[in-house]
Amino acid sequence: GIQVEQSPPDLILQEGANSTLRCNFSDSVNNLQWFHQNPWGQLINLFYIPSGTKQNGRLSATTVATERYSLLYISSSQTTDSGVYFCAVGYAGTASKLTFGTGTRLQVTL
Amino acid sequence: ETGVTQTPRHLVMGMTNKKSLKCEQHLGHNAMYWYKQSAKKPLELMFVYSLEERVENNSVPSRFSPECPNSSHLFLHLHTLQPEDSALYLCASSHVIGGNQPQHFGDGTRLSIL
Repeated sequence: GIQVEQSPPDLILQEGANSTLRCNFSDSVNNLQWFHQNPWGQLINLFYIPSGTKQNGRLSATTVATERYSLLYISSSQTTDSGVYFCAVGYAGTASKLTFGTGTRLQVTL
Repeated sequence: ETGVTQTPRHLVMGMTNKKSLKCEQHLGHNAMYWYKQSAKKPLELMFVYSLEERVENNSVPSRFSPECPNSSHLFLHLHTLQPEDSALYLCASSHVIGGNQPQHFGDGTRLSIL
């Protein structure tokens, strides 16, 4: 099956700093989503981005499908950004399955 | 508010109990999913339903029994669970099934097996 790797696995930032999270995947995809899981376990949909670039406030994401990677940018980080960021991909080989990466655990400190 | 509601949020049960997890979506979607998230493991797809028909079962033990009475509701019936079944169970929905459809998740049910 498709492999999804995220880096870095852990990240500690001071409030106000910027960061880039990376997601590499091993096959062509037609679905890529970024999620934020907060400390209470809620999985929040950040971006649906199988290709191209999108921005939402302090967050933006870019997927280069031909090179099989996606990047999530967090600017001016805040303590509420803490949690785990997951990348998940879907591909034409399965009708419905989202394959998740192991996540990047982000801690933003004061 | 994601449009996908799961109840209960927390559940503690013994290995001989029978309980059910409920998921309801208010998005008008036709596909619904159950995922399991164990500690230190990626989310794993358990079941997929499209228009109330099960289309995927990812080798899940029979002690987990899904039910989809209509396109807005999905249940996961639990019986004779094992301690390793303790996990966060997440429900999701999408407009239709398909690798290119964004999925929207509920807040999850955190299950603890004593």
